[in-house]
Amino acid sequence: NAGVTQTPKFQVLKTGQSMTLQCAQDMNHEYMSWYRQDPGMGLRLIHYSVGAGITDQGEVPNGYNVSRSTTEDFPLRLLSAAPSQTSVYFCASRDLVQGGNTGELFFGEGSRLTVL
Amino acid sequence: GNSVTQMEGPVTLSEEAFLTINCTYTATGYPSLFWYVQYPGEGLQLLLKATKADDKGSNKGFEATYRKETTSFHLEKGSVQVSDSAVYFCALAQSGGYNKLIFGAGTRLAVHP
Repeated sequence: NAGVTQTPKFQVLKTGQSMTLQCAQDMNHEYMSWYRQDPGMGLRLIHYSVGAGITDQGEVPNGYNVSRSTTEDFPLRLLSAAPSQTSVYFCASRDLVQGGNTGELFFGEGSRLTVL
Repeated sequence: GNSVTQMEGPVTLSEEAFLTINCTYTATGYPSLFWYVQYPGEGLQLLLKATKADDKGSNKGFEATYRKETTSFHLEKGSVQVSDSAVYFCALAQSGGYNKLIFGAGTRLAVHP
């Protein structure tokens, strides 16, 4: 049971470089999201999607792009990395139908990104 | 706007001690409330939840009661174990807004033998 899989687990970038954090889930969840976790600030929502072709912004979307071409995958793109994007990134998903309104999210193990 | 405030950590306890982690919230209407736990090196996982006032969520010996009059959802456990060492996050979802869970800053718990 893979659940939510994130790659890479660790990445170091230089300012201005681009990269994509990958997220895949095998639970057929309609909803997928990206959060960043910073010390003392908890988790903040970056972008989310409620199905293929549908994305929306969260609390801190600037500097990040997303797309959802399949139910399984929800990549997060940094087009020009900045030191302020140094963080731990979590992908999370949930079932919109069977989950009803429970709000329970299933998280990946996280991707630690350092921007120098 | 909606927000969640948790007590600052770290909380350090001896095994079998009583645990309370305070959580208060600001929200309009009737949000749903959650506690998530993050064990070292892992993602978050749901610990318990409550969806209406006076509901008590419980799991693995942990409990929290949704108190609308005090806008609180404090996490308690009667006897902690070393294996409970983790970071605990309180979160809320506005009614009809489960697409945007709002998390508190997290409270680190360290339990010593």
